[in-house]
Amino acid sequence: AQRVTQPEKLLSVFKGAPVELKCNYSYSGSPELFWYVQYSRQRLQLLLRHISRESIKGFTADLNKGETSFHLKKPFAQEEDSAMYYCALRHGGGFKTIFGAGTRLFVKA
Amino acid sequence: SAVISQKPSRDICQRGTSLTIQCQVDSQVTMMFWYRQQPGQSLTLIATANQGSEATYESGFVIDKFPISRPNLTFSTLTVSNMSPEDSSIYLCSARGADNSYEQYFGPGTRLTVT
Repeated sequence: AQRVTQPEKLLSVFKGAPVELKCNYSYSGSPELFWYVQYSRQRLQLLLRHISRESIKGFTADLNKGETSFHLKKPFAQEEDSAMYYCALRHGGGFKTIFGAGTRLFVKA
Repeated sequence: SAVISQKPSRDICQRGTSLTIQCQVDSQVTMMFWYRQQPGQSLTLIATANQGSEATYESGFVIDKFPISRPNLTFSTLTVSNMSPEDSSIYLCSARGADNSYEQYFGPGTRLTVT
């Protein structure tokens, strides 16, 4: 069965520190992986996806098929990064997206 | 992109009653979905709303409890029937673009409290 695991419910770091939000998945085929973010009082929105290999707001995520991971990283956290982050998986070429439990990132001044 | 609105934004309902949530997208979309987000939990897919045909439900969700309509490419409704306190949750409408783009858009959610 497809599953997305985010082991940390809460991650607290100081401003300027590196941050890594962990995501592991289980899927037998070729998944599409995404990170979604929800800032306070805003709706859920796409942050980045593995296919594009882009950096958004300083965040990057690399798909590691050997470790079935898609960790989200940023070298220097900012206070405005405080939000809820969800890792998500969609079957390659499919239409259903499943979400991990989410990690709340809190960046302290 | 697609902008999604939902009505109502929140409601408090008595057990045993039903509530219909409306979802309107500002452009035609291929896929529309309904998710539930219970307090402190992640998003759980309830069903895919299919235009002109019956919705496709995920395991654990049934049409009698969560009837869904999708009369056209921009509108869908989800009804939560015979509510109980366990149905208290945020219900989210989501959609993917007409070009079947990778990005999935979300509505602001409907916060339902059942007393």
